[in-house]
Amino acid sequence: SAVISQKPSRDICQRGTSLTIQCQVDSQVTMMFWYRQQPGQSLTLIATANQGSEATYESGFVIDKFPISRPNLTFSTLTVSNMSPEDSSIYLCSVRTVSTDTQYFGPGTRLTVL
Amino acid sequence: EDKVVQSPLSLVVHEGDTVTLNCSYEVTNFRSLLWYKQEKKAPTFLFMLTSSGIEKKSGRLSSILDKKELFSILNITATQTGDSAVYLCAVSGGSNYKLTFGKGTLLTVNP
Repeated sequence: SAVISQKPSRDICQRGTSLTIQCQVDSQVTMMFWYRQQPGQSLTLIATANQGSEATYESGFVIDKFPISRPNLTFSTLTVSNMSPEDSSIYLCSVRTVSTDTQYFGPGTRLTVL
Repeated sequence: EDKVVQSPLSLVVHEGDTVTLNCSYEVTNFRSLLWYKQEKKAPTFLFMLTSSGIEKKSGRLSSILDKKELFSILNITATQTGDSAVYLCAVSGGSNYKLTFGKGTLLTVNP
């Protein structure tokens, strides 16, 4: 399995500001994903982070709100822009390893927007 | 649209009991079904199932997939308080490997 780190682990932000979350993997992986888990809900895929090109967003998520970068095979960032209280969630990075179809998750970022 | 339904949504048992968690799915171009345990923030990988009828086992946990009836079960025997968590079922379909999750089963094991 891959070792995944995310930072920050948690943050409390003011409405209208932006937060960038970083995801780092200890080995090269084929795919990286960003998920959101709103309070009391299950996980929903935001987008697939593509190396060196624009991310692929799921229905209901747009680049202006959730810009994503993936400059290399082991690192990605997700920015939550112009935040509102509805953006309060856990944001999770996941990776698909080269050798298996399994997806592993990072430790998550708990975001609270006031 | 891919769909995953888990049951029950919550379950309270006593230590030592055996529990069975259910997951049914509808997915285009099924690739795999995965089970995760979520205690705080991060889902922890338990099993990945791709073939029908082959049981995967890890300690007191086991899981099996039925691709004809489109469901999977996760069994936990001799439950312990440390098994208390949300158990998530997810399916992977199509060429983009994205996961569609069920709502999860909240398991509470009382001493």
